[in-house]
Amino acid sequence: DIVMTQSPLSLPVTPGEPASISCRSSQSLLHSDGYNYLHWYLQRPGHSPQLLIYLSSNRASGIPDRFSGSGSGTDFTLQISRVEAEDAGIYYCMQGLQTPFTFGPGTKVDIK
Amino acid sequence: EVQLVESGGGLIEPGKSLRLSCAASGFTFDDFAMHWVRQAPGKGLEWVSGIVWNSRSLDYADSVKGRFTISRDNAKNSLHLDMNSLRVEDTAVYYCGRDYTSSLGGVDSWGQGTLVTVSS
Repeated sequence: DIVMTQSPLSLPVTPGEPASISCRSSQSLLHSDGYNYLHWYLQRPGHSPQLLIYLSSNRASGIPDRFSGSGSGTDFTLQISRVEAEDAGIYYCMQGLQTPFTFGPGTKVDIK
Repeated sequence: EVQLVESGGGLIEPGKSLRLSCAASGFTFDDFAMHWVRQAPGKGLEWVSGIVWNSRSLDYADSVKGRFTISRDNAKNSLHLDMNSLRVEDTAVYYCGRDYTSSLGGVDSWGQGTLVTVSS
């Protein structure tokens, strides 16, 4: 199985400041179709997860452009250009290259 | 608007069986693969199972393989998870998820979840 790791696991952020989360996979997520099968999700407290970024760098519908994703192969990054209060929650990366799909442990973002 | 509504959760004794269902609406159900993802209390997300649009390919997490069975009814826009030989460690909120493709690539929409508690 592909093992996903994230860092940091806890991230206190100040509103208006940038934030960055790293995700690494134990093997390349680059498919022969040219896409990296790495997705980012946010789970706000008491809510279901929601898709933020799919295939490493594509924003999901309705996601503000302050969220961006980058990376290829085994190293990926989620960036928030200017954090807002509503961005608090746990951020997960997930690989969709091969089953069983696997998630990272999550990064808890707290707004100061 | 995509809507996924799970049902069937509850309190169940170890070793018993339970069937979860997910009613889908707001999209053409048989155009998309579907998933079950669970979250134990206070823990992270764990992919449980996925099924492609025509049911010809499906897979499971090792932790449930041989005990859980995923299925779908495209005529009724519904997804199911039959859970047998339930264990205490199967206690979790179970989410139904829609893939963004007809095959298995990732989850783009989630239901609100249904809680399964396995306890004597």
